[in-house]
Amino acid sequence: EDKVVQSPLSLVVHEGDTVTLNCSYEVTNFRSLLWYKQEKKAPTFLFMLTSSGIEKKSGRLSSILDKKELFSILNITATQTGDSAVYLCAVLYGGATNKLIFGTGTLLAVQP
Amino acid sequence: NAGVTQTPKFRVLKTGQSMTLLCAQDMNHEYMYWYRQDPGMGLRLIHYSVGEGTTAKGEVPDGYNVSRLKKQNFLLGLESAAPSQTSVYFCASSQWGQGAKNQPQHFGDGTRLSIL
Repeated sequence: EDKVVQSPLSLVVHEGDTVTLNCSYEVTNFRSLLWYKQEKKAPTFLFMLTSSGIEKKSGRLSSILDKKELFSILNITATQTGDSAVYLCAVLYGGATNKLIFGTGTLLAVQP
Repeated sequence: NAGVTQTPKFRVLKTGQSMTLLCAQDMNHEYMYWYRQDPGMGLRLIHYSVGEGTTAKGEVPDGYNVSRLKKQNFLLGLESAAPSQTSVYFCASSQWGQGAKNQPQHFGDGTRLSIL
């Protein structure tokens, strides 16, 4: 059975800390791994990773994929209270249907 | 640019009632999806569509029906609502893509549905 597992389930840090969120997967016909940030409403797209070892960066956020070990990490440096959210990992799989299978998310709380 | 718009945002139903959730996208995307999000279970795919006039079942399709009569709209129907369908429903859309051009899904703000 295909699955995406995220850890930790929740995390509390202080502003300025660096955090690492983990995502492992076992998905048939893997195409890409995606990270989303979900505050109160819509998940918003952060990164798509298709190739191993190539780091994607956007400001204080970065992510990398290891297709041999079947995992990805999302790093956030110098955290701010605005980073508080649920971070979702999802795997794009299959052929022409563009379907995603999601992990349950990591709830990050950044305290002032 | 509105992106993906869902209506209504909130709704309370009684068991056995029916309703339709509307999703509209203005990005000319081919693919559209309906998910439900429940605590501790993440987002689960209900139904999806790969183009106007097509629909297919996802992971948890029972109790739901969908229609895609126009490319920009994807409707989710509950024929006879049950308390187990209390959830937050998200619609998403994406452009077709493959390989290095894989495309992300873009989400609406969700519909919070409570069934008493």
